[in-house]
Amino acid sequence: DIQMTQSPSSLSASVGDRVTITCRASQGISTFLNWYQQKPGKAPKLLIHSASSLQTGVPSRFSGSGSGTDFTLTISILQSEDCGTYYCQASLSVPFTFGPGTKVHIK
Amino acid sequence: QVQLQESGPGLVKPSETLSLTCTVSGGSIRSDANDWTWFRQPAGKGLEWIGRISATGSTNYNPSLKSRVTISVDTPKNQFSLRLTSVTAADTAVYYCARGTDYVSGVFDYWGQGTQVTVSS
Repeated sequence: DIQMTQSPSSLSASVGDRVTITCRASQGISTFLNWYQQKPGKAPKLLIHSASSLQTGVPSRFSGSGSGTDFTLTISILQSEDCGTYYCQASLSVPFTFGPGTKVHIK
Repeated sequence: QVQLQESGPGLVKPSETLSLTCTVSGGSIRSDANDWTWFRQPAGKGLEWIGRISATGSTNYNPSLKSRVTISVDTPKNQFSLRLTSVTAADTAVYYCARGTDYVSGVFDYWGQGTQVTVSS
């Protein structure tokens, strides 16, 4: 199985800040990497697929980059509604695996 | 708008079988372009992919659960189901069903709201 790690595990930032979350795969996965946002008590929401493709309806302040083993999710101008937990997910092959998550708090 | 809704018992006894159903509305489960997937998430923990089924009935399962899992599809009812046998407390989690997108494999664009399943006597 492909193991996914994320850093940091949590962060606290102010509205308007630029936020970057990193994700690393245990082996090369090309651009088969997706990002989800999850709020407490809710299902995950797809933000980015294929490392850098913004899902329809997701605000353009979210962006993704990377290939191979190292990836980043960037929120260019943090908004209050962006609090939650962010997960990366590898989709190169089954079993599909997720990172442990990064909790984003708003100061 | 595609919607998914999980249903099933919220409490299952140890060693028994967990059975959940996901009802799809606003779209056809017959679509060759999509597959249909189950996930779970223990309280305060991360997401685990359980397995998926295509409209043709082809399945893939997580090896960690493979011996205990069956996913099936009921196309007339536009539903798919999860069976997990010989459950233990470690199977206590929120269970989600989701749709795999029609443009990239292994990406999930529509999710159910999730259903809590507790394994306890």
